[in-house]
Amino acid sequence: EAGVTQFPSHSVIEKGQTVTLRCDPISGHDNLYWYRRVMGKEIKFLLHFVKESKQDESGMPNNRFLAERTGGTYSTLKVQPAELEDSGVYFCASSRGPRTYEQYFGPGTRLTVT
Amino acid sequence: GIQVEQSPPDLILQEGANSTLRCNFSDSVNNLQWFHQNPWGQLINLFYIPSGTKQNGRLSATTVATERYSLLYISSSQTTDSGVYFCAVEGYGNKLVFGAGTILRVKS
Repeated sequence: EAGVTQFPSHSVIEKGQTVTLRCDPISGHDNLYWYRRVMGKEIKFLLHFVKESKQDESGMPNNRFLAERTGGTYSTLKVQPAELEDSGVYFCASSRGPRTYEQYFGPGTRLTVT
Repeated sequence: GIQVEQSPPDLILQEGANSTLRCNFSDSVNNLQWFHQNPWGQLINLFYIPSGTKQNGRLSATTVATERYSLLYISSSQTTDSGVYFCAVEGYGNKLVFGAGTILRVKS
């Protein structure tokens, strides 16, 4: 079975621009998560989808970040406008169920805002 | 919220040596996972181990849930084992809370 995929692998944008990250979960996984690691800090939870619904978005840093999951399949995370402090690695993960289920991570998107 | 502490923060090994990485957590957990972040930044699942002991080749892990800690053992280390090792736990809610990681460098 194919793993979690993310696109692009690396994005370099200027401050003020918009970037959209995409995540395709493992087929059949209803639960999709976004995490990020900004420079020198720990990996932090951003939000959790169950199918197309946002279950928990307590980790979203501010309203410049917008996540969607159309039809409960792939998900996008848009940053608009990007700021320097948004630079880091954005990870997507998926799991078959919530709680007690293993989360599988994608390779990440490295975002650099200049 | 739940706190996760990993030790040691840094570790340098000679190839062939063994090591033990520790993860302490502050509350009951439903899920505990160990990851290896390779030099390309990818998070590789090592173990899903909320309790008990598991082994996979040269790696093994033990979680003692009642005492709120987990250990990751690496035997006969190789240079390809270098990278950052993360422990992550899921307490209340469905999100994983990550420790700060252990940076492992294996020298040839």
